[in-house]
Amino acid sequence: NAGVTQTPKFQVLKTGQSMTLQCAQDMNHEYMSWYRQDPGMGLRLIHYSVGAGITDQGEVPNGYNVSRSTTEDFPLRLLSAAPSQTSVYFCASSYSPGGGAFFGQGTRLTVV
Amino acid sequence: AQKITQTQPGMFVQEKEAVTLDCTYDTSDPSYGLFWYKQPSSGEMIFLIYQGSYDQQNATEGRYSLNFQKARKSANLVISASQLGDSAMYFCAMREAYRDDKIIFGKGTRLHILP
Repeated sequence: NAGVTQTPKFQVLKTGQSMTLQCAQDMNHEYMSWYRQDPGMGLRLIHYSVGAGITDQGEVPNGYNVSRSTTEDFPLRLLSAAPSQTSVYFCASSYSPGGGAFFGQGTRLTVV
Repeated sequence: AQKITQTQPGMFVQEKEAVTLDCTYDTSDPSYGLFWYKQPSSGEMIFLIYQGSYDQQNATEGRYSLNFQKARKSANLVISASQLGDSAMYFCAMREAYRDDKIIFGKGTRLHILP
């Protein structure tokens, strides 16, 4: 009964490094998305996907890349990490259209 | 323009009292869903309640109810008989089915329940 699995839980990066945050779900959900959470800003949508092969930008897409080659996986790539990308990142999935989203446990990323 | 507005950054409520957390939204999509999530200090996002735009009755889940006023575009969360464990951050969210089906969130309300 895994639900939405995010890895890693914690990560420290140096400015300029790249990395991929992994997200996998086992509920056969069409919709997957990535959010970042910063104090006082709520959850802001980075990228989302309504099915394999389909991705779209959210509110704050700059500096991030995504792909959706399978229904289960939706990785988020940081191309060249910057201190402004220090945040807590959440992956979520749901049926599409409609319905509430299930969230992963979050990844706390620090860029130094 | 903000699509989801939560005007209360923080609230303090005495234990066992009822609590209303405000949420207003903006959409021209006739088909949409409204949600509330709870985020305790441990950080996980917990889905609480859902209201569809075509639902005639207000949604209820245990001590949680959603006061849906469509004409006013408000979707307030009501927690009856608050408990210390209700202390958390609460987020209102919306999904526009015909537009692009993405889920967007408000900035949240931090609720403190006082013993």
